Amino acid sequence: EIVLTQSPATLSLSPGERATLSCRANESVYSYLAWYQQKPGQAPRLLIYDASTRAAGIPERFSGSGSGTDFTLTISSLEPEDFAVYYCQQRGDWPFGPGTKVDFK
Amino acid sequence: QVQLVQSGAEVRKPGASLKVSCKASGYIFTSYHIHWVRQAPGQGLEWMGIINPSRGNTRYAKKFQGRVTMTRDTSTNTVSMELSSLRSEDTAVYFCARDMVSYQLQLSYFDLWGQGTLVTVSS
Repeated sequence: EIVLTQSPATLSLSPGERATLSCRANESVYSYLAWYQQKPGQAPRLLIYDASTRAAGIPERFSGSGSGTDFTLTISSLEPEDFAVYYCQQRGDWPFGPGTKVDFK
Repeated sequence: QVQLVQSGAEVRKPGASLKVSCKASGYIFTSYHIHWVRQAPGQGLEWMGIINPSRGNTRYAKKFQGRVTMTRDTSTNTVSMELSSLRSEDTAVYFCARDMVSYQLQLSYFDLWGQGTLVTVSS
């Protein structure tokens, strides 16, 4: 069973700073990995799929990289609306990582 | 527009059952599988299962097998999720979500989500 871990649990940053979020799988998921953003009281929103492909309408400041077991979501310059929880997801039956909260420093 | 609209909040007592619905619009209902995902208060996302609206076939997460039933109604473009033998740990927001690839009940990515339905289980 593939399990995802995310680090850090919380990332405290200021608007304009670069955010780097990590997701690690306990075995290879190839490039079959997605990232989602969730704000309080809202459903998750798909940001990135297949490790590095931006979903429709997602700003260019969001980028994904990695393959195999190690993946990264980068937000190049945080906007106020980017402060949220981010989940990675693989395509097995335990799909979601525990999340990383990006909050205001 | 393309959307999934879920039924409203529910309160149930332990041991009861509940049914949450998810109505699709703006796309071909039978072309995309639908998942159910839940989120307990302050917690992460948990996958419950998947239904193919075209054939009605389903696959459930092991944790929920025997307690969950997913169905669809092609006349109203609606999928439903019924959970039985409720306990306090089932208190959560339940989401339906569309599968981007929709191939043979395999998970791919969740590209469209419902707004969520809060279910509270309390005596």
